[in-house]
Amino acid sequence: EPEVTQTPSHQVTQMGQEVILRCVPISNHLYFYWYRQILGQKVEFLVSFYNNEISEKSEIFDDQFSVERPDGSNFTLKIRSTKLEDSAMYFCASSDVAGNQPQHFGDGTRLSIL
Amino acid sequence: AQTVTQSQPEMSVQEAETVTLSCTYDTSESDYYLFWYKQPPSRQMILVIRQEAYKQQNATENRFSVNFQKAAKSFSLKISDSQLGDAAMYFCAYRNGLIMNRDDKIIFGKGTRLHILP
Repeated sequence: EPEVTQTPSHQVTQMGQEVILRCVPISNHLYFYWYRQILGQKVEFLVSFYNNEISEKSEIFDDQFSVERPDGSNFTLKIRSTKLEDSAMYFCASSDVAGNQPQHFGDGTRLSIL
Repeated sequence: AQTVTQSQPEMSVQEAETVTLSCTYDTSESDYYLFWYKQPPSRQMILVIRQEAYKQQNATENRFSVNFQKAAKSFSLKISDSQLGDAAMYFCAYRNGLIMNRDDKIIFGKGTRLHILP
């Protein structure tokens, strides 16, 4: 069964540094998402992306965050200047059709900010 | 705004027994989808079961079934014949059906940690 692939599985970064989290959605999917989960807390929506533009973003997704689909297969989340509170598990998800199709999640990237 | 509430932070069940995890939600929409996701210690997010709000019949996937009470806005998950591999965090989740303004994000509850006792 096709999978959403995220790399790296664990990223350790110094505070203030830029980090890029990478995702390869399922190949025929058109809708892409990022969520994050701070340790011990619930999963929170960050941003959705369709047709090469952001569809919706949460209040968490401030100017430090950006997303990009640089080619036909990758979907990236960039954090420009990381803060300690950015430490979390970041999940990428994709779906092929909006609405009744479930979003398929990747295994997540654990981001640790030192 | 839509909300999802899971009032049981932790639950335990004896292996082979049945357990029910509770979830309530709030929405003003008439068309939406509800999900249960499982997150084992590896922290993957695994879709367990989903329910379309327009369907009256409760969804079932092998040992997993739901009790969907639309009027009460309740969506509980029943796990029959519990197995050690069922131990995980379980998240109840909501998603709009009608994609107004492209609002198709998933809203998660805080989760219920399920322990399986051998």
